[in-house]
Amino acid sequence: SQQGEEDPQALSIQEGENATMNCSYKTSINNLQWYRQNSGRGLVHLILIRSNEREKHSGRLRVTLDTSKKSSSLLITASRAADTASYFCATDSGGSGGSNYKLTFGKGTLLTVNP
Amino acid sequence: KAGVTQTPRYLIKTRGQQVTLSCSPISGHRSVSWYQQTPGQGLQFLFEYFSETQRNKGNFPGRFSGRQFSNSRSEMNVSTLELGDSALYLCASSFSGSYGGNEQFFGPGTRLTVL
Repeated sequence: SQQGEEDPQALSIQEGENATMNCSYKTSINNLQWYRQNSGRGLVHLILIRSNEREKHSGRLRVTLDTSKKSSSLLITASRAADTASYFCATDSGGSGGSNYKLTFGKGTLLTVNP
Repeated sequence: KAGVTQTPRYLIKTRGQQVTLSCSPISGHRSVSWYQQTPGQGLQFLFEYFSETQRNKGNFPGRFSGRQFSNSRSEMNVSTLELGDSALYLCASSFSGSYGGNEQFFGPGTRLTVL
């Protein structure tokens, strides 16, 4: 079953524009992570935000987390054609020790950045 | 540092056969997780191994099994293949250390087609 639900399912923008993707989840979490997947390949970890954090930056990426609304957003600024990929949020709902040995993924947002 | 490797990359089998997929984690990583990705169900957690022990299991039938060796390499096996088992099987490794979760590093996946 999916824990996270990304919105929108697909997003098409022009190079240089910003892209915002949202993720909602259902249960309490230890952390939330965002991954990128280029067509049919493995996933690449982008950023992890812990449940006690509200915002995190990494290069052109900005992630926010609102645990009261059980939602997160990923902002990619100044997008490039190379950012074209599917983006997934994944939640770690714990287990003993807190290590994320069971990530639950959403169905992803397909981002297309047109040159 | 070499990334996560998976073999084989592509596999074609027929219904009723069995298949074994292999995953070599990043050196020093002790946790290996397996995921199934299909267009309909998205990314679903199969199981996770740590120090040769299965720590967590997803909601898959008993035909799906796995194991981990002392060098942290992992294999997953699917017996009595069904058409619905056609999917991209992804392996991910993580250090699985302190509380708060760790990012998972994914391999390129094995594309299994069941005819």
